[in-house]
Amino acid sequence: DAGVTQSPTHLIKTRGQHVTLRCSPISGHKSVSWYQQVLGQGPQFIFQYYEKEERGRGNFPDRFSARQFPNYSSELNVNALLLGDSALYLCASSLFGDTEAFFGQGTRLTVV
Amino acid sequence: AQKVTQAQTEISVVEKEDVTLDCVYETRDTTYYLFWYKQPPSGELVFLIRRNSFDEQNEISGRYSWNFQKSTSSFNFTITASQVVDSAVYFCALTGYSGYALNFGKGTSLLVTP
Repeated sequence: DAGVTQSPTHLIKTRGQHVTLRCSPISGHKSVSWYQQVLGQGPQFIFQYYEKEERGRGNFPDRFSARQFPNYSSELNVNALLLGDSALYLCASSLFGDTEAFFGQGTRLTVV
Repeated sequence: AQKVTQAQTEISVVEKEDVTLDCVYETRDTTYYLFWYKQPPSGELVFLIRRNSFDEQNEISGRYSWNFQKSTSSFNFTITASQVVDSAVYFCALTGYSGYALNFGKGTSLLVTP
């Protein structure tokens, strides 16, 4: 079975632009979570979705938004990019959202 | 609020040495879950273990073992007979009863040299 897949793997954007990151969970998993990992730090929780509904949100500005589709894949959107948004964005899937989370390889976003 | 502290930023050992990675946590929840993840240079977080707050039994999986002590709020991870392939950043994480938001420590970078 395929693991969690994220696209793209790398991305370079300019300040002020918008970006969309995509995630496909493990087959059968209904929950997707997003994390931001700045270089040298641990991942920080951004969102969790379960059955297409937002279940939790971390301490991130409204420029960050996400959604989950009927096939349980997910998109993370970031508007008005700042230099500080440069990070590795990790997607995790889990069966019900309260079990082991399995992570994708991440999308490395660089804002210039 | 929940907090995870991994005081060791970097550890360097020679192959075949045993190494222990420390994790101290803070939480007001009575039900919570503790995790360890491995992050190799490729970036993907690899799940190693999940332990709930009611299960203080130590666990061993091959060369890996975990020591959970609620009395000291610690969940330490030991690698026995380390190998070069163990080189990675290791994260300890904590989540509450809802289980939906993992709170990670800052990680410990382990370097195993031949």
